[in-house]
Amino acid sequence: DAGITQSPRHKVTETGTPVTLRCHQTENHRYMYWYRQDPGHGLRLIHYSYGVKDTDKGEVSDGYSVSRSKTEDFLLTLESATSSQTSVYFCASETSGGGTDTQYFGPGTRLTVL
Amino acid sequence: TQLLEQSPQFLSIQEGENLTVYCNSSSVFSSLQWYRQEPGEGPVLLVTVVTGGEVKKLKRLTFQFGDARKDSSLHITAAQPGDTGLYLCAGAKNTDKLIFGTGTRLQVFP
Repeated sequence: DAGITQSPRHKVTETGTPVTLRCHQTENHRYMYWYRQDPGHGLRLIHYSYGVKDTDKGEVSDGYSVSRSKTEDFLLTLESATSSQTSVYFCASETSGGGTDTQYFGPGTRLTVL
Repeated sequence: TQLLEQSPQFLSIQEGENLTVYCNSSSVFSSLQWYRQEPGEGPVLLVTVVTGGEVKKLKRLTFQFGDARKDSSLHITAAQPGDTGLYLCAGAKNTDKLIFGTGTRLQVFP
């Protein structure tokens, strides 16, 4: 299995505070993704990266920003958390994009915004 | 807009029963994947299908990609408690990003 970790695993925060979630992979994968998972919606793409400093928006990017300064790290930031951002966040990585490669997922971060 | 709809949303069955999960769309996909997710973990890839009409088998699991590449099904024969989990289909259009389905939560009771 690919080595992909997320931190923190759980976080409770208050509305209006900034939050940063970290994803770290040890497989030298070029592509990395941030998803959120909510009941009835499966996984929805927030942002993705196709290389160091190369990022793009996904389906539900409003209120989120990302950064990728190293191949192995992909950070997701909620500039000012809102209750609608309460969710489980998953990071994934893969060698190449396009839908036929294997995406390897981290264990998830459960974020609660009060 | 959810492009991939899965049915049923929930499924509770007894060990030994057969079941089929469906993944439907009005869009054509160049490839389709199925993932299984267990509680507290991230999804894990089960299979990728790329050709219309393609059938792949993984032990007791049979995956089929529709002829028109708009739909897919997952059939489990003689389900076991270890099959319990959330099943997600995910499609891609050419080099675009994966679009995940709404998910089917399966519970298999001993």
